[in-house]
Amino acid sequence: AQSVAQPEDQVNVAEGNPLTVKCTYSVSGNPYLFWYVQYPNRGLQFLLKYITGDNLVKGSYGFEAEFNKSQTSFHLKKPSALVSDSALYFCAVRARMDSSYKLIFGSGTRLLVRP
Amino acid sequence: DAGVIQSPRHEVTEMGQEVTLRCKPISGHDYLFWYRQTMMRGLELLIYFNNNVPIDDSGMPEDRFSAKMPNASFSTLKIQPSEPRDSAVYFCASSGLAGGQDTQYFGPGTRLTVL
Repeated sequence: AQSVAQPEDQVNVAEGNPLTVKCTYSVSGNPYLFWYVQYPNRGLQFLLKYITGDNLVKGSYGFEAEFNKSQTSFHLKKPSALVSDSALYFCAVRARMDSSYKLIFGSGTRLLVRP
Repeated sequence: DAGVIQSPRHEVTEMGQEVTLRCKPISGHDYLFWYRQTMMRGLELLIYFNNNVPIDDSGMPEDRFSAKMPNASFSTLKIQPSEPRDSAVYFCASSGLAGGQDTQYFGPGTRLTVL
């Protein structure tokens, strides 16, 4: 089955420290992978995506993600966390369903950056 | 660009009433998606359109739900009759142009409460 998993419901990190939000996927064929962020009472906001090429993808607000094919992972990272990064983060994978493609979203990981 | 516009932002209604949610996608985008977000089920794709044509409605929960896209700049999601279990945040998203089909841009959502 095609799926995406975010194993951590919440990640806590101190401001200024590096952060990692984990994501693993299962999909047939080459994966298209995405990260989105959701702030309170807002819609999801696109951060970055991997389709092909360099395994390290850079996105908005200083975030980056590393694609690892052997581990089927696409972890989100940032070298130095800000309190304003506190939000809900979703990993997604494009999956082929019958004759169409869909984005399958993970359950989300809440990031809490403490001052 | 105004982004994806949704209305109303909040809707409170009584069980049995008809509810209509509205969406204006980003100009030029040719894909439009309707999602539902709840604590229990996370983010679920309900239906999506390509060039105003419904492509996949397998996520629509019941016949009480219907969606239309009469033109490239407007879509509706209707629930008739509404039930308390329909309470959720409903998101509209669109994609296309330089971002391709897969990079979806979300509206702010409509928070629906059915009493």
